[in-house]
Amino acid sequence: AQTVTQSQPEMSVQEAETVTLSCTYDTSESDYYLFWYKQPPSRQMILVIRQEAYKQQNATENRFSVNFQKAAKSFSLKISDSQLGDAAMYFCAYNQPGGSEKLVFGKGTKLTVNP
Amino acid sequence: NAGVMQNPRHLVRRRGQEARLRCSPMKGHSHVYWYRQLPEEGLKFMVYLQKENIIDESGMPKERFSAEFPKEGPSILRIQQVVRGDSAAYFCASSPTPLPYEQYFGPGTRLTVT
Repeated sequence: AQTVTQSQPEMSVQEAETVTLSCTYDTSESDYYLFWYKQPPSRQMILVIRQEAYKQQNATENRFSVNFQKAAKSFSLKISDSQLGDAAMYFCAYNQPGGSEKLVFGKGTKLTVNP
Repeated sequence: NAGVMQNPRHLVRRRGQEARLRCSPMKGHSHVYWYRQLPEEGLKFMVYLQKENIIDESGMPKERFSAEFPKEGPSILRIQQVVRGDSAAYFCASSPTPLPYEQYFGPGTRLTVT
């Protein structure tokens, strides 16, 4: 079974600085999707960014970018110019296409942004 | 287009009672997923349904839990004879296609069993 590991239970960053959240996963498949979700205190799950495994280019969405290392099975999230509104739980998730399309989540990293 | 709606947002049940959680998918979405989030944990997949069909229930506990997505109306997650360990946040996600990046999440229902 696929597993997703987030080794940093908590991280903190100063406003306007850059922070990187780590994620590793375990799979024997070659075709899959990876995601980062944000869960603010409201608990609403918000998709931040996604990466298709067949794409070599790292995904970018405004201040959010990923470092996808397929061979190392690593998928880190970089947040640039951190803002107070970025404070939340961040979950890394994996999906194996062709099945039930369920998402497999890591345990999350709590990000604190200090003013 | 209204988002995924879940109700109630908070539900308190005594041990042994039944809990019914409702999920109204976004308009045009025929795929529904239920996830459970225990305290300090990530979301865990429970069940995937299409209209009138259960596609994958591999994450559902074998007893006391059931789910349905009828032709008309919301999807229902039903927990019979609740126990303290059922206390969690239950999230529903819907999508128009079976593609993972089109799953939109609802705000969740927080179930507390006393």
